[in-house]
Amino acid sequence: QSALTQPPSASGSPGQSVTIFCTGTSSDVGGYNYVSWYQHNPGKAPKLMIYEVTKRPSGVPDRFSGSKSGNTASLTVSGLQAEDEANYYCSSYAGSNNLVFGGGTKLTVL
Amino acid sequence: QLQLRESGPGLVKPSETLSLTCTVSGGSITSISYYWGWIRQPPGKGLEWIGSKFYTGSTYYNPSLKSRVTISVDTSKSQISLKLNSVTAADTAIYYCARLSRRPQGGTTAQIDYWGQGTLVTVSS
Repeated sequence: QSALTQPPSASGSPGQSVTIFCTGTSSDVGGYNYVSWYQHNPGKAPKLMIYEVTKRPSGVPDRFSGSKSGNTASLTVSGLQAEDEANYYCSSYAGSNNLVFGGGTKLTVL
Repeated sequence: QLQLRESGPGLVKPSETLSLTCTVSGGSITSISYYWGWIRQPPGKGLEWIGSKFYTGSTYYNPSLKSRVTISVDTSKSQISLKLNSVTAADTAIYYCARLSRRPQGGTTAQIDYWGQGTLVTVSS
C-alpha cells in the first residue's frame, strides 16, 4: 500500500477558506467511506477533525468540513483562524484491515 | 477522560528490538467498539500506521512491517505493547499509541479518536 498524496503546503488569510486534497486509489479513498482527517501540532497528539469522510466529532468547529469525489478526499477550513495553523493528515481504510495515511499538509495562516 | 501514555527506552541499538508499552486509563481496553494500535512519525515525515489489535486477539499489521512487528494486549494491566525487531535508523520516530473505532461488521476504521502524546525512539549505536 502506498501513502495517500497530499500537497506539502497550503495557506490562506484569516477569514478565507482553504481546501486540502488527499488523493488515493480505488483500493483506499475511492473504495470506502472511511476517510479521516487529523490536525497535528508538533509536540502534541494528533486531533481527529473529520471521520467517515464528512462527520465531525463533538467539539470540532463546523468551519471544518470534509468531502470525497472518486479517489480524492478533501478537507475545507472556512473562516480561517490563526489557531488553525497546523499540519493536517488524511487517512483512509485500505481494505483487509489496513490503514494508510497521507504525507501531511502544513497549513499556514497568513 | 480516556488517557493513553506511552513508555519505553528512548534509545535502541541497531539490530536490537524496540519495545514500548501503552497504558490506558479512564476507559476500558475491553470495549467491543475499539481496536488499539500504534502509529509512528519519523522525523520530518508523515504518519505511518504500524498495526491494530482487538482485545480478544484479532491483529493486523502494516504489510511493510509485518515481518518485524508484534502488538499485544494485556487486559489485566490495561496495556498495549509494541515490539519491533531488527531495527535500523529508519525506525527512528515518534511512536504513538492510539484507539481506533471498530466497523460494525468487524475490523478497523480510519477513525482514531484518542492518541497518546507520543514517545521518541532513536535507533543509534
